[in-house]
Amino acid sequence: AQSVAQPEDQVNVAEGNPLTVKCTYSVSGNPYLFWYVQYPNRGLQFLLKYITGDNLVKGSYGFEAEFNKSQTSFHLKKPSALVSDSALYFCAVRDFGYSSASKIIFGSGTRLSIRP
Amino acid sequence: KAGVTQTPRYLIKTRGQQVTLSCSPISGHRSVSWYQQTPGQGLQFLFEYFSETQRNKGNFPGRFSGRQFSNSRSEMNVSTLELGDSALYLCASSLGTGDLDTQYFGPGTRLTVL
Repeated sequence: AQSVAQPEDQVNVAEGNPLTVKCTYSVSGNPYLFWYVQYPNRGLQFLLKYITGDNLVKGSYGFEAEFNKSQTSFHLKKPSALVSDSALYFCAVRDFGYSSASKIIFGSGTRLSIRP
Repeated sequence: KAGVTQTPRYLIKTRGQQVTLSCSPISGHRSVSWYQQTPGQGLQFLFEYFSETQRNKGNFPGRFSGRQFSNSRSEMNVSTLELGDSALYLCASSLGTGDLDTQYFGPGTRLTVL
């Protein structure tokens, strides 16, 4: 079965500094990976996805993610953090079952805190 | 284009009662998925509907059920509520044209069971 792991419960970064939120995956077959962000009392917002192609994926709000097949990682990055980036971030993977139907498996989430 | 809407946003019920949550997908989206979010278990997949048919189901007891209407709107029902059912229930919609679709989430329904 597919799975993703987010090894850090919390990441603290100063505003203006680069940020990285880590994600590793375990899949059989091709990985289809996603990042979502959740602000307080809100649903999840889609940031970006990797299906195939370039290992560097660009997404919303200046975020990007680097797919690394050898390290089975899909880390989320941003060159310069903003206080408004403070939120809960989820890495996710498509889990393809024995049928064509699939579902999304989410990581445990990483809380990103940007200090002014 | 309007996003995914969920009603109600907040709900308080007592043990043993049943509850129905509603989700309206983005216009043109035919697939609706439901997830439960709790502090302890994180985000867990409940089920997915496409063209009024349940296409996939997570590992939840039969008390959790759903359906989808011809206009793609979906409802989720939980019967005989337990304290552990207190959670944020999230609905997500996608085009349904393939498994690589992006799912877009609604704001969720916060269910509290007393």
